[in-house]
Amino acid sequence: QKEVEQDPGPLSVPEGAIVSLNCTYSNSAFQYFMWYRQYSRKGPELLMYTYSSGNKEDGRFTAQVDKSSKYISLFIRDSQPSDSATYLCAMSKAAGNKLTFGGGTRVLVKP
Amino acid sequence: NAGVMQNPRHLVRRRGQEARLRCSPMKGHSHVYWYRQLPEEGLKFMVYLQKENIIDESGMPKERFSAEFPKEGPSILRIQQVVRGDSAAYFCASSPVIGGDYNEQFFGPGTRLTVL
Repeated sequence: QKEVEQDPGPLSVPEGAIVSLNCTYSNSAFQYFMWYRQYSRKGPELLMYTYSSGNKEDGRFTAQVDKSSKYISLFIRDSQPSDSATYLCAMSKAAGNKLTFGGGTRVLVKP
Repeated sequence: NAGVMQNPRHLVRRRGQEARLRCSPMKGHSHVYWYRQLPEEGLKFMVYLQKENIIDESGMPKERFSAEFPKEGPSILRIQQVVRGDSAAYFCASSPVIGGDYNEQFFGPGTRLTVL
């Protein structure tokens, strides 16, 4: 069993819809939770990070962490075609530690 | 401020040859991480280095792979006697000095290694 599970998709939504992404994990030692966006043939770029449980909002993006359920989510409001990419969840046990990634979810936002 | 640089961007090697991948971290960053992304898979951690020190190599294969981050110059990931299974995208990330709060890892564009 993988430490971090993520549905590979693809997830296809119409422009303007809410995109809902999630990951589950098995190791309760994870404390930092990140969401990265990766365009084809590019390196990942950080969208959001959250420390421990709770919600965090940044523009159209909302990240949620539920440590009791070992479940994290990312919501993208008012999705745009430019949001079409692969979204990777990642987590670490401490600041500066290695990141453990999910397999990524491909998202396609159709105009 | 230039981002993380990796070269070459594409590398083709025949089985049994050596591959050298280079990573120049962002200015002021002294921590480097290497990750590997196999086709249709997520990124897998390989090694974490500071200048002249290997901090965590728990993700490195035991044989043929080595990494260094010298006092001067880029970090190097070296793969000896490459096999077809080494074909992947190799990403480098850098981070500033580790403090008490979260430190973002900034990723480079990757080197795509193809082994023929």
